[in-house]
Amino acid sequence: DSGVTQTPKHLITATGQRVTLRCSPRSGDLSVYWYQQSLDQGLQFLIQYYNGEERAKGNILERFSAQQFPDLHSELNLSSLELGDSALYFCASSARTAPNTGELFFGEGSRLTVL
Amino acid sequence: EDKVVQSPLSLVVHEGDTVTLNCSYEVTNFRSLLWYKQEKKAPTFLFMLTSSGIEKKSGRLSSILDKKELSSILNITATQTGDSAIYLCAVDSNYQLIWGAGTKLIIKP
Repeated sequence: DSGVTQTPKHLITATGQRVTLRCSPRSGDLSVYWYQQSLDQGLQFLIQYYNGEERAKGNILERFSAQQFPDLHSELNLSSLELGDSALYFCASSARTAPNTGELFFGEGSRLTVL
Repeated sequence: EDKVVQSPLSLVVHEGDTVTLNCSYEVTNFRSLLWYKQEKKAPTFLFMLTSSGIEKKSGRLSSILDKKELSSILNITATQTGDSAIYLCAVDSNYQLIWGAGTKLIIKP
């Protein structure tokens, strides 16, 4: 158990809909990262937050947005969903208090299926 | 553009064999290289390498970084079926992790 909690574990929805994925980082970790992993593909970095502020942005679509709240949990919002958005979405947190990377601790992921 | 390339993309070996997985990188500001193992779900951390030529070891797994060749290898000796997984390499460049596509390792009994 990495200490990172993601909900929901599975989600099935229809095209055009909007969903919210939630992540609670390890206790004390200030950095939260969101990744997308499609079938048989590597991890695609979406976005990073550090202590409530957006720190880095990767290949995140405009239909997607995220935020980190004062209690450090984070939410990833996916809207106008398309079939191609079906993937495993991982949240990870960093043990470091400084906004750099190093070892990441991953949650179990939220599997999104868009029908 | 920063990139990390892993090879081979997939590998099938028999239990007891030794395997070597490769990770090469081209990045603007190298800080560290990390290896992760991904079984069914979440990637789990294996090693972080920052210095060239110093081997990191954990049981049957070991890894070394070659900054001159811009690469790293991950060795697994006496493989077991439980080693079957996707092995991911990531490079910290400018405080962002650049991920390789992974090597899918299958160990046959």
